[in-house]
Amino acid sequence: DTGVSQNPRHKITKRGQNVTFRCDPISEHNRLYWYRQTLGQGPEFLTYFQNEAQLEKSRLLSDRFSAERPKGSFSTLEIQRTEQGDSAMYLCASSFLDRGYNEQFFGPGTRLTVL
Amino acid sequence: GNSVTQMEGPVTLSEEAFLTINCTYTATGYPSLFWYVQYPGEGLQLLLKATKADDKGSNKGFEATYRKETTSFHLEKGSVQVSDSAVYFCALSASFGNEKLTFGTGTRLTIIP
Repeated sequence: DTGVSQNPRHKITKRGQNVTFRCDPISEHNRLYWYRQTLGQGPEFLTYFQNEAQLEKSRLLSDRFSAERPKGSFSTLEIQRTEQGDSAMYLCASSFLDRGYNEQFFGPGTRLTVL
Repeated sequence: GNSVTQMEGPVTLSEEAFLTINCTYTATGYPSLFWYVQYPGEGLQLLLKATKADDKGSNKGFEATYRKETTSFHLEKGSVQVSDSAVYFCALSASFGNEKLTFGTGTRLTIIP
């Protein structure tokens, strides 16, 4: 079990460019979550998937953001026409839905800097 | 909506001191409560959890009790070590079946020898 991995770890881009991040969850986990964390704040929920279905999206997820989990395994988060306000750490977490609460395991995050 | 308010930092303590980090929450229904820790250069890790009122979560010498009457989940440790230096986040999930987490702003803890 290698844990949740995220790539790239760091991304610097210019305003207006598109960026895509990838998250590979723990292999048997059927739930996958995306969060965003800005400096000095706690993570904020963006969206989550159960298998390949996207079940909820936060109001934070504007039309410029899109997330996919095409085969119920890895997920991608794309930001189009990036803005300086998009600069943040993007965190991915996964869990296995079963009876009771299931712990979310977090990846190391992708730090995005928009110049 | 759901929210978590936690003690602002940074907090600096000497080794072996007693630690309390306050956390209160607002939520409908019966949320589950968590403390996550982020060590320098590492990802978030679950430290402890409690899923119903009066439950006590504990791990690595840390404890927190789910108090529904005061809507609180304060983190405590009797004797802190330098290795406890990290950022601590209180969080809740509002309902079974959708465990999205609502986090507090985090408290940076520094332990000095």
